[in-house]
Amino acid sequence: EIVMTQSPATLSVSPGERVTLSCRASQSISSYLAWYQQKPGQAPRLLIYGASTRATGIPARFSGSGSGTEFTLTISSLQSEDFAVYYCQQCNDWPLPTFGGGTKVEIK
Amino acid sequence: QVQLQQSGPGLVKPSQTLSLTCAISGDSVSSNDPAWNWIRQSPSGGLEWLGRTYYRSKWYNEYAVSVRSRITINPDTSKNQFSLQLNSVTPEDTAVYYCAREMSRAMNCWGQGTLVTVSS
Repeated sequence: EIVMTQSPATLSVSPGERVTLSCRASQSISSYLAWYQQKPGQAPRLLIYGASTRATGIPARFSGSGSGTEFTLTISSLQSEDFAVYYCQQCNDWPLPTFGGGTKVEIK
Repeated sequence: QVQLQQSGPGLVKPSQTLSLTCAISGDSVSSNDPAWNWIRQSPSGGLEWLGRTYYRSKWYNEYAVSVRSRITINPDTSKNQFSLQLNSVTPEDTAVYYCAREMSRAMNCWGQGTLVTVSS
């Protein structure tokens, strides 16, 4: 099973700041990585798939990069509605997707 | 616009069977492109993929190793929905359960979630 590790666990950020979240795979997953945003009491929402492709309706301030084992989700200028938990998910080891433990982005 | 609507009990007794249904609107459970998944989220927040069903000229099912002996996911083409059955539940199965549509190897549409508590 491919293990996904996200860092940091919690990030304290001020609105307007640039945010970078990391996700590492225990073995190469090519570009088969997705990012999700989850707010309290809601289901996760797909932000990025294929490591760098924004899902439908996702603002351009969200971008993804990386390949192999190291991946990054960047929020160029954090908005108030972006405070949430972010998860990465590998989909290279199909049919067995696995998720990272999440990074909580909180208000500084 | 695709929507997934979950239904099922929120309380299940230990050793009994957890049963949930996910009704699909805006797509078909028999479509040749998507796969239909169940995922759960533990009280601590971790997401765990449980399994999927999908149609590619015939029906396929795939399950996580951790629940393979206890899980069944079935499509219901007459009602355009799919279901989850998890047998012999224990308190460790307490979680929020989600159904989700998978396309391009990512979950691009999720149900609203169902908190299932396993308790006597």
